[in-house]
Amino acid sequence: QKEVEQNSGPLSVPEGAIASLNCTYSDRVSQSFFWYRQYSGKSPELIMSIYSNGDKEDGRFTAQLNKASQYVSLLIRDSQPSDSATYLCAVKTGGYNKLIFGAGTRLAVHP
Amino acid sequence: NAGVTQTPKFQVLKTGQSMTLQCAQDMNHNSMYWYRQDPGMGLRLIYYSASEGTTDKGEVPNGYNVSRLNKREFSLRLESAAPSQTSVYFCASSEREGDNQPQHFGDGTRLSIL
Repeated sequence: QKEVEQNSGPLSVPEGAIASLNCTYSDRVSQSFFWYRQYSGKSPELIMSIYSNGDKEDGRFTAQLNKASQYVSLLIRDSQPSDSATYLCAVKTGGYNKLIFGAGTRLAVHP
Repeated sequence: NAGVTQTPKFQVLKTGQSMTLQCAQDMNHNSMYWYRQDPGMGLRLIYYSASEGTTDKGEVPNGYNVSRLNKREFSLRLESAAPSQTSVYFCASSEREGDNQPQHFGDGTRLSIL
């Protein structure tokens, strides 16, 4: 069973700090990795995708991928209360565009 | 700019009743998906349709059927609802199969089965 693991949290950070969210995956041949943000009672919203080892930056968000360690992370700089949500890590596996989702990490940014 | 539209948004059923959840996308995407989301378990794939005319089982297909009516529409049917199917159901679509194709989600259907 291919798995994607995330710490459920809550991860509590003060406003302005860096939030670090982590994800590990079991399928060594996975090639595509996505981070979704989900506000309570809402649908998942894509915020980052990463396909190659290293860092990818988009505004306050940085995704980091290490395929050798089967590890992907999301850094949120200058965290704002509006970033408070559940962050879902998703890994594409298999021959089709099938995503395996982690259970999500709940982030709470307090003023 | 509707994206992925799901109907209904909320539904309460009794055990044994049947129901069809509707999903339509206006992005001219080829691939469509149905997920369920339960507390603490993340999203799990029920069925998907890689392209018009094809459907395949995902991780948790038992108790469900699907129809890819046309390129825009992908419906999910519960023939005889069970309390274990109480969940939030999300439909998603992507441009095509492929490593770098992100999926875009609808607003979800919250389904309770008594």
